Amino acid sequence: SYELTQPPSVSVSPGQTARITCSGDLLAKKYACWYQQRSGQAPVLVLYEDSKRPSGIPERFSGSSSGTMATLTISGAQVEDEADYYCYSTDSSDNVRVFGGGTKLTVL
Amino acid sequence: EVQLVESGGDLVQPGGSLRLSCEGSGFTFDPYWMNWVRQAPGKGLVWVSRINGGGSSVYYADAVRGRFTSSRDNAKNTLFLQMNSLRVEDTAVYYCVRDRFSNSQYYFDYWGKGTLVTVSS
Repeated sequence: SYELTQPPSVSVSPGQTARITCSGDLLAKKYACWYQQRSGQAPVLVLYEDSKRPSGIPERFSGSSSGTMATLTISGAQVEDEADYYCYSTDSSDNVRVFGGGTKLTVL
Repeated sequence: EVQLVESGGDLVQPGGSLRLSCEGSGFTFDPYWMNWVRQAPGKGLVWVSRINGGGSSVYYADAVRGRFTSSRDNAKNTLFLQMNSLRVEDTAVYYCVRDRFSNSQYYFDYWGKGTLVTVSS
C-alpha cells in the first residue's frame, strides 16, 4: 500500500513562514495537492499540481516538490491559517487516492 | 457556484445498512467522476470510492470493498453510497467530493460539508 508521511504538528508565530513537508514514493511520479481543513469544516483545496493556487487562495500559500518530497509553504502565516493540512496524491492509474496523515498548524 | 450537499447520515447498529445521498448543483453533473471520502472522529481523511460519469466504472478502498456500493442518478444530479454490513470502524463524517482532471492526474476540487454516520450498539 502507498503512504504519504507528514509531521504531526508545526507551530509558528504570526508573520513567520510555516513549512509543511510530505514524503512518499508516489510523489516521484505524481503531483501533490494540499488541502486545508479548519476545525469543524470541510477540507478546501489550497494547492494542486505541486504549486498551483486555485482562485481565491492567498498568494502567501506556495508549494514545491523535489524527488519524493513536497512542501507547502505559508509565507507570513496568519492566525486564520491555523488548521489541519493534508497532502494528497495518486497512484499511476489514479484509481488509488492517498492522503497524508495530516499536519496541525498552530499560529500563535 | 458548485455545491455538493450530502444527506442520509444517522446512528445505526453494527451489521446494519445505510444509504447516503449527495446532490450536486452549479455544474454539469454527469461528466464528472465523483468520490466519497470519510473522516473518523479526530482522524485523517481516507478515500472510500469513486465512480465515473456514466456510473459504469467504480473503484473502492480495500476497507469497504464488498460492503459499500456507489451509484449515481445523473437525471437527478445525485450520487449515492449504499453501506451494508456496517462496522464500528465505519463511524465517520462522509464527504462527497468532485474529481478534476488536469495534467494527467485526478484530484479533488470541491467538497460537500459532510454527513455523519455513527455505527454503535
